[in-house]
Amino acid sequence: DQQVKQNSPSLSVQEGRISILNCDYTNSMFDYFLWYKKYPAEGPTFLISISSIKDKNEDGRFTVFLNKSAKHLSLHIVPSQPGDSAVYFCAASAAGDMRFGAGTRLTVKP
Amino acid sequence: EAGVAQSPRYKIIEKRQSVAFWCNPISGHATLYWYQQILGQGPKLLIQFQNNGVVDDSQLPKDRFSAERLKGVDSTLKIQPAKLEDSAVYLCASSLDGTSGGLTNTGELFFGEGSRLTVL
Repeated sequence: DQQVKQNSPSLSVQEGRISILNCDYTNSMFDYFLWYKKYPAEGPTFLISISSIKDKNEDGRFTVFLNKSAKHLSLHIVPSQPGDSAVYFCAASAAGDMRFGAGTRLTVKP
Repeated sequence: EAGVAQSPRYKIIEKRQSVAFWCNPISGHATLYWYQQILGQGPKLLIQFQNNGVVDDSQLPKDRFSAERLKGVDSTLKIQPAKLEDSAVYLCASSLDGTSGGLTNTGELFFGEGSRLTVL
């Protein structure tokens, strides 16, 4: 069951521009949402999270937006840097049960 | 602070053989997870431990997969016998508290580098 979906397998942006990664979910019981970043041959690392009681959380160049009515969240990276090139996983949690999307591969071109 | 340790990093076996993966979580983390990540997919939870007790193993194929965390610290995941479709990266993760989804903290899981299994 794909309760968390990332419909874009890849995204390519120019250095300095905005990267927008999208994620949709189906389970209305999810109450916490996270983004993880993964480099090749490494495990995913936590990037940013948001509680379902909020609609925006910002941390430096990274901002996550949550639209509960649409069951949609997005990650904005501004400005994008070549070091941001990685696979980004969206994750959603309900009572400790965390589900991951399939990931979006971001490539930031110099 | 040392991260989550996993071994081996890579393993190649033939179908019907057995394999075991080891994980040592971050010190003090009560919750330990094993995830299976098949190429092109997101991590899928196999089993979650809280200390040495199983919280969720609903997606663990129990006819061939087993896991234990006897002393509530490190853990072993075993596959016996392996099938071709078991080829994946097996990720171990730990967190301070998984039962609430981490609502009292960031909800962050700390992942190891993974063990890549190839079944021929």
